[in-house]
Amino acid sequence: DTAVSQTPKYLVTQMGNDKSIKCEQNLGHDTMYWYKQDSKKFLKIMFSYNNKELIINETVPNRFSPKSPDKAHLNLHINSLELGDSAVYFCASSHAGGGRGNEQFFGPGTRLTVL
Amino acid sequence: AQSVTQPDIHITVSEGASLELRCNYSYGATPYLFWYVQSPGQGLQLLLKYFSGDTLVQGIKGFEAEFKRSQSSFNLRKPSVHWSDAAEYFCAVGSYNQAGTALIFGKGTTLSVSS
Repeated sequence: DTAVSQTPKYLVTQMGNDKSIKCEQNLGHDTMYWYKQDSKKFLKIMFSYNNKELIINETVPNRFSPKSPDKAHLNLHINSLELGDSAVYFCASSHAGGGRGNEQFFGPGTRLTVL
Repeated sequence: AQSVTQPDIHITVSEGASLELRCNYSYGATPYLFWYVQSPGQGLQLLLKYFSGDTLVQGIKGFEAEFKRSQSSFNLRKPSVHWSDAAEYFCAVGSYNQAGTALIFGKGTTLSVSS
């Protein structure tokens, strides 16, 4: 039983293209996140959604647009891809509510390579 | 600003030897602290977490961590390392708002296990 799933696992594309990464969780959580892991393995929060509402939006270029059609899904759309967007993107989910006990469950990651 | 420092980029330990991975945090209030492990090509798995109470926390796979407020540290330990423990280890502090938690990660420590 997959808790947090992401598709695709690998994504290779050309500069300037538009691509999407999908994330789904079956844990009944109401908060979902996108993290970016760069080539040095540094992980940084990009976005957080609670009940389909954007809560956290770090200093991410406008080319990145998250969309949450329902509580179980959080997709990431990237316009006009650039070389620097190459990274591993992780989706995560958790319960909300002040942070207590809110372990975040991570998906397997999507490795994006921009050529 | 909240931050997490993992001073050791890479550690090599002999199989069967003990392990300690260091983590220092900067956070204005009582921190909520986490250790995650990332095996090659995999997502992140929670090893253990500290919210309050006993400062020695037990986790999965035989790991434990000790919270020391006076030293702003949350070091991860294991008495006897197995070859399967070779992975990337991330310490994180939870940054909260009402909707959820954004994890602020350290830069990770790569653990290699020698036979």
